[in-house]
Amino acid sequence: AIRMTQSPSSLSASTGDRVTITCRASQFINSYLAWYQQNPGKAPKLLIRGASTLQGGVPSRFSGSGSGTDFTLTISGLQSEDFATYYCQHYYGYPPYTFGQGTKVEIK
Amino acid sequence: QVELVESGGGLVKPGGSLRLSCAASGFRFSEFFMSWVRQAPGKGLEWLSNVGGDDNGKYYADSVKGRFTISRDNAKNSLYLQMDSLRAEDTAVYYCARNGPGIDNYFDFWGHGTLVTVSS
Repeated sequence: AIRMTQSPSSLSASTGDRVTITCRASQFINSYLAWYQQNPGKAPKLLIRGASTLQGGVPSRFSGSGSGTDFTLTISGLQSEDFATYYCQHYYGYPPYTFGQGTKVEIK
Repeated sequence: QVELVESGGGLVKPGGSLRLSCAASGFRFSEFFMSWVRQAPGKGLEWLSNVGGDDNGKYYADSVKGRFTISRDNAKNSLYLQMDSLRAEDTAVYYCARNGPGIDNYFDFWGHGTLVTVSS
């Protein structure tokens, strides 16, 4: 199975900061990479698919990049509602479609 | 608007069984792959299983293979997860999720989740 490794596991930031989260796949996954945001007690929400395509309704301060094995999620101008946990997930080929372990973005 | 509503969670003893349901609305249910994803308390997300639009294309995570069975009833717009031989480590919130269109197996809509607790 393909392993997804996110870094960092957690970070502290202030409102207005630029935040970058990385996700590395254990093997080539082309651009079959999604990013999700999860707030405590809530279901995950799809932010980005195809490594860089913003899902409808997601603010433009979120962006994704990368292909192959290395990917990044960037939040440009962190807002209060962005303090949450973020997960990457690959959907390359056949299942299992594994998630990264998550990155918790906390208020500094 | 797309809505997914899970039910059937609860407290069950180790070795017991439980059947989860997910009622879907707001889209052509039979045209989409559907999945189950779980999250143990304080842990990350774990994909468990998916099923194709016509109840084919069933895949399972190694952690549940042979114990869990995914199915769907397109006439009822419903997705199911039959969970047998439950273990303490199966304790989690279970989400149903809609896969993206075609071969895009990201998850664009999620239910609110149902809690399964396996304990004696």
